[in-house]
Amino acid sequence: AQSVTQLDSQVPVFEEAPVELRCNYSSSVSVYLFWYVQYPNQGLQLLLKYLSGSTLVESINGFEAEFNKSQTSFHLRKPSVHISDTAEYFCAVSDPVSSGSARQLTFGSGTQLTVLP
Amino acid sequence: DVKVTQSSRYLVKRTGEKVFLECVQDMDHENMFWYRQDPGLGLRLIYFSYDVKMKEKGDIPEGYSVSREKKERFSLILESASTNQTSMYLCASREGTSGRNTQYFGPGTRLTVL
Repeated sequence: AQSVTQLDSQVPVFEEAPVELRCNYSSSVSVYLFWYVQYPNQGLQLLLKYLSGSTLVESINGFEAEFNKSQTSFHLRKPSVHISDTAEYFCAVSDPVSSGSARQLTFGSGTQLTVLP
Repeated sequence: DVKVTQSSRYLVKRTGEKVFLECVQDMDHENMFWYRQDPGLGLRLIYFSYDVKMKEKGDIPEGYSVSREKKERFSLILESASTNQTSMYLCASREGTSGRNTQYFGPGTRLTVL
């Protein structure tokens, strides 16, 4: 079974500072990897995803994540954060090979990013 | 834009009541999902449906049932609400069955069971 570990439940950071949100997964097969973001009082929305090919993926608002197969990690980074980035961030994994429920998303426990002025 | 709507943002019910949570998507997606979100636990899958009248249990189906009579609508039913079902409930939809496709989420229903 797949599992996702987000090591930090809370990450406070000052505006314009860099940030890294950590995500590790456990799976014995190839995976699809996702980062979703949840702004206050909203549902989740996709930030970026890795399916195959280049291990570095980027979002339109300056976030990037790198797939590291040897370390089974998919950490999310941004070089300079804004107040508006304050949100909860969820890492998720799905298995491209299995069928049925095994192809559903498994989520981590989430990381609350708080950007301070 | 994909739109997933949920019937209520906030709901307060009493123990033992039957509760219906409704979800509607407007993109003709085959797959629909119900999750509950609890602090420190992330999102956990309750049920999902891959077609009309088709459903499959997720990781925590106990105490819940679902109904999908039309493609655009997926309902979550709490037959007899209990206090441990107080939570945020999120509905999602997805085109096709591939795990590579994006799930689109509704705004959530915060259910409190007293």
